[in-house]
Amino acid sequence: NAGVMQNPRHLVRRRGQEARLRCSPMKGHSHVYWYRQLPEEGLKFMVYLQKENIIDESGMPKERFSAEFPKEGPSILRIQQVVRGDSAAYFCASSPSGKNGYTFGSGTRLTVV
Amino acid sequence: KQEVTQIPAALSVPEGENLVLNCSFTDSAIYNLQWFRQDPGKGLTSLLLIQSSQREQTSGRLNASLDKSSGRSTLYIAASQPGDSATYLCAVMNRDDKIIFGKGTRLHILP
Repeated sequence: NAGVMQNPRHLVRRRGQEARLRCSPMKGHSHVYWYRQLPEEGLKFMVYLQKENIIDESGMPKERFSAEFPKEGPSILRIQQVVRGDSAAYFCASSPSGKNGYTFGSGTRLTVV
Repeated sequence: KQEVTQIPAALSVPEGENLVLNCSFTDSAIYNLQWFRQDPGKGLTSLLLIQSSQREQTSGRLNASLDKSSGRSTLYIAASQPGDSATYLCAVMNRDDKIIFGKGTRLHILP
């Protein structure tokens, strides 16, 4: 079991481009969470998904951000028309069910130049 | 709205000392509480998970306690080592399945 896999580890985008962050949960895990960590700040909840469903997206900006967790393949966090303020570390976590603890990936560090 | 607070924000102690990190949360209706470690520029490593029905969990030199009624948890580290230097994060899972993190305690163990 390879754990939660996130790729890419580092991503550089110019302002206005799109960023696509991928998260493959642990085998058997159907719950996925995305978090954002800004420099010197804590982790902020963005979105909670189960297979093919968005359960809670209350932490995600209404514009430019979207997330999906299709029946097949990884969960994708998509940021359109990136701005400098989107530069952060984005972490994904997975769980077999929400109450059994979570395993985090190593994160994707997005830099917008 | 659940809020998680960790104190102190930063801590430096000489190697070999025992230490306690504190975490408090405002809504006691939680499923569980989890302590994580984060090294600079790295991901999160789970240290201990305490279910709401449990009082404590132990792993090696680490012991975490949970007092749900008072909204408090502590992480006890025995015989600290330089390799323990990291940021320690406390996270609670609410009944709505959302995980809320504290801002962490930056721990520095002095050789």
